[in-house]
Amino acid sequence: DAGVIQSPRHEVTEMGQEVTLRCKPISGHDYLFWYRQTMMRGLELLIYFNNNVPIDDSGMPEDRFSAKMPNASFSTLKIQPSEPRDSAVYFCASSTSSYNSPLHFGNGTRLTVT
Amino acid sequence: AQSVTQLGSHVSVSEGALVLLRCNYSSSVPPYLFWYVQYPNQGLQLLLKYTSAATLVKGINGFEAEFKKSETSFHLTKPSAHMSDAAEYFCAVSEYGNKLVFGAGTILRVKS
Repeated sequence: DAGVIQSPRHEVTEMGQEVTLRCKPISGHDYLFWYRQTMMRGLELLIYFNNNVPIDDSGMPEDRFSAKMPNASFSTLKIQPSEPRDSAVYFCASSTSSYNSPLHFGNGTRLTVT
Repeated sequence: AQSVTQLGSHVSVSEGALVLLRCNYSSSVPPYLFWYVQYPNQGLQLLLKYTSAATLVKGINGFEAEFKKSETSFHLTKPSAHMSDAAEYFCAVSEYGNKLVFGAGTILRVKS
């Protein structure tokens, strides 16, 4: 079990640029979550998918953020255009469909927008 | 909506001392509660979870938590702190489906 894999681990970009974060969930997991972690706001759920379908995107900050899950083994979170306030650690997590099964987190992508 | 409150953003204990990290929850239905740990530059790892089978839940690394409905609490304890326990700890409650709402976290410092 390779765990949840996120790439890149670190991303530094300039304001206005497009940023794409990637996630490969654990094989066989039906749920995929994107969280953002900052000192000020803690862990915030941005969006989650069930069987590749977005279920709740109410946490997505604004239209600059978008997420896709084209298949069961891959998801992306895109920010276009990026802004300095988007600087944070972005985590992807996955879980099985068993009710209240625990989340398995990736190691995160640390995004810095200058 | 469900929520959790972690009392104390920072807790400092001496090595070998009792660890107590506090979590209170708010839920309109019987809750499912979790404790996660985050080491520097890593994702969160599950320590333990409460799913109504037993009020005292044992987790990894010697941690345990007790669900107290009357106090709406789910505090995390460990009898004897080890240097390797230094990390940030998050309490979480499950909403519908598998969606988790996390507390603000408590940073545990262990002094030698």
